[in-house]
Amino acid sequence: QVQLVQSGAEVKKPGSSVKVSCKASGGTFSGYILTWVRQAPGQGLEWMGRIAPNLGTTHYGQAFQGRATITANSATATTYLELISLTSDDTAVYYCARGRGDGFPNWGQGTLVTVSS
Amino acid sequence: DIQMTQSPSSLSASIGDRVTITCRASQDISNSLAWYQQKAGNAPKLLVSDASRLESGAPSRFSGAGSGTDHTLTISNLQPEDFATYYCQQYYSTPRTFGRGTRVEIK
Repeated sequence: QVQLVQSGAEVKKPGSSVKVSCKASGGTFSGYILTWVRQAPGQGLEWMGRIAPNLGTTHYGQAFQGRATITANSATATTYLELISLTSDDTAVYYCARGRGDGFPNWGQGTLVTVSS
Repeated sequence: DIQMTQSPSSLSASIGDRVTITCRASQDISNSLAWYQQKAGNAPKLLVSDASRLESGAPSRFSGAGSGTDHTLTISNLQPEDFATYYCQQYYSTPRTFGRGTRVEIK
């Protein structure tokens, strides 16, 4: 049974950047799509972007183009989300999720990123 | 981007009730739709994919239906553990957009 284990909570200053990791244990990346979704406090789910590690391709939501970078290391089965130029609007729980393109059966536990001066 | 309009945004129901949540896509998405359940403080859990395929481990009181633009999630015989927020998501095209959620509360 695959588990996605994310890095711990972060507190960042406005204007800085954050990098969150997500490691698959008990499974691989091969043939899967890794996606990042965020959820602001009390709000719904927002799709940020995805990577297909075996193809090396990425797609980003329009709101995150130029500000988010998703990468993956197949050797360590880890995917990363880096978000730059943080503002208070980026305060959210960030989730990684794994699927084959028809929904996400596997999710990480979430990483709380707080942006505050 | 495909917009997903979910309704109602919240509902109150009693144990044993049958409830239906609707999700309408801004364009035809065929059956490329998933439903998730999320409880406070937890990651979403996939319940249904391909509009009507129940995921392994999901209770049979959950059922999905629809094709094209209009989709529904029905919970028959509502149980205490079903009180949560439910989201639809289309995977017909990128970006994979979500509905805004339906909160199911105890009456």
